[in-house]
Amino acid sequence: GIQVEQSPPDLILQEGANSTLRCNFSDSVNNLQWFHQNPWGQLINLFYIPSGTKQNGRLSATTVATERYSLLYISSSQTTDSGVYFCAVVKTTDSWGKFQFGAGTQVVVTP
Amino acid sequence: NAGVTQTPKFQVLKTGQSMTLQCAQDMNHNSMYWYRQDPGMGLRLIYYSASEGTTDKGEVPNGYNVSRLNKREFSLRLESAAPSQTSVYFCASIRGRRDYGYTFGSGTRLTVV
Repeated sequence: GIQVEQSPPDLILQEGANSTLRCNFSDSVNNLQWFHQNPWGQLINLFYIPSGTKQNGRLSATTVATERYSLLYISSSQTTDSGVYFCAVVKTTDSWGKFQFGAGTQVVVTP
Repeated sequence: NAGVTQTPKFQVLKTGQSMTLQCAQDMNHNSMYWYRQDPGMGLRLIYYSASEGTTDKGEVPNGYNVSRLNKREFSLRLESAAPSQTSVYFCASIRGRRDYGYTFGSGTRLTVV
């Protein structure tokens, strides 16, 4: 199956700092999404981004499909950004919603 | 609008017992999915149902069965629970192709002793 590697595994930020999370994947994909799992376990979709760049408030994401990686940027981090960020992909030949998740990046934002 | 509802939220089983995890969505979504989440491993797909009347295996189907009861409901059954099935289980749904966002349930925390 497709391999999804996320880095770094853990990240500690002071409030107001910027950071970049990376997702590498091993095969061509037709679906790539970033999810946030808050400290209470709820999973929320952040971006659908199989290619290109998108921005939503303080978060933005870029996927370079030809080089098989995606980046999630957090700017001016807030304590509410704490949690685990997952990258998930669907291989081009697979069913649309059949995601392969990375192991996640645990982010802790301190006041 | 409840979204995706999972029951129960918590469960403790003894080894060898059986149980069914329930999932229901009220968004008229076509596709539904069951994942398990273990520490440090992200989410792994157990089974999915691309549309009513169809089910397929995911990455880790052994020890589980599923039923797509109707368009709204997708249940996950453990016939003989094992400690290795201790995990947090998430159900998710999407309308179909080009529906960009998964909607997740709030999860079921299962402990097998």
